[in-house]
Amino acid sequence: SQQGEEDPQALSIQEGENATMNCSYKTSINNLQWYRQNSGRGLVHLILIRSNEREKHSGRLRVTLDTSKKSSSLLITTSRAADTASYFCATAAIRGSARQLTFGSGTQLTVLP
Amino acid sequence: DVKVTQSSRYLVKRTGEKVFLECVQDMDHENMFWYRQDPGLGLRLIYFSYDVKMKEKGDIPEGYSVSREKKERFSLILESASTNQTSMYLCASSQHWDSQETQYFGPGTRLLVL
Repeated sequence: SQQGEEDPQALSIQEGENATMNCSYKTSINNLQWYRQNSGRGLVHLILIRSNEREKHSGRLRVTLDTSKKSSSLLITTSRAADTASYFCATAAIRGSARQLTFGSGTQLTVLP
Repeated sequence: DVKVTQSSRYLVKRTGEKVFLECVQDMDHENMFWYRQDPGLGLRLIYFSYDVKMKEKGDIPEGYSVSREKKERFSLILESASTNQTSMYLCASSQHWDSQETQYFGPGTRLLVL
């Protein structure tokens, strides 16, 4: 079953604007991660936020986590055409004999030059 | 630099064929994972392995098996390929049980079953 659900499914913005993507999840988590996927490629890890953190920054990325609402947001500031990709949130929890990630279905971001 | 490689980028097979997808990581990671990715469904976990010769089922193991004879290599096997197994297959690895659980992904194998 899918744990994380991203919103919106697709987002189209102009270069220089900010892009905000949201993720909601259902059960308790150890941490929440955001990944990026360029078309036809594998996923690349962007940022991890732990359940006891509320906000984290990395370059032009800002992630927030609200465990009471079971939601997270990813903000990309001053977007560039090269930011065009799919973005996935993934929640980490103990399942079986290893920590596993459960991925949402992603937000397709298009940044228009 | 972290690296996960997959044996093929594109693969075309016929229904009923046995298919091997191989994944190799050079980071000495303990955990390795196989996902399939389909439009609108995100990534779904097929199998994972937390040690050599150890494996556990993920969410959708039916029709698949795996093999991990060496730490760096994790193979996904489709015993008898079917058209509903046409998909993008992604391999990933992560360091060990008590780490940050960041996963490192290979480039993916796009499989078409005719």
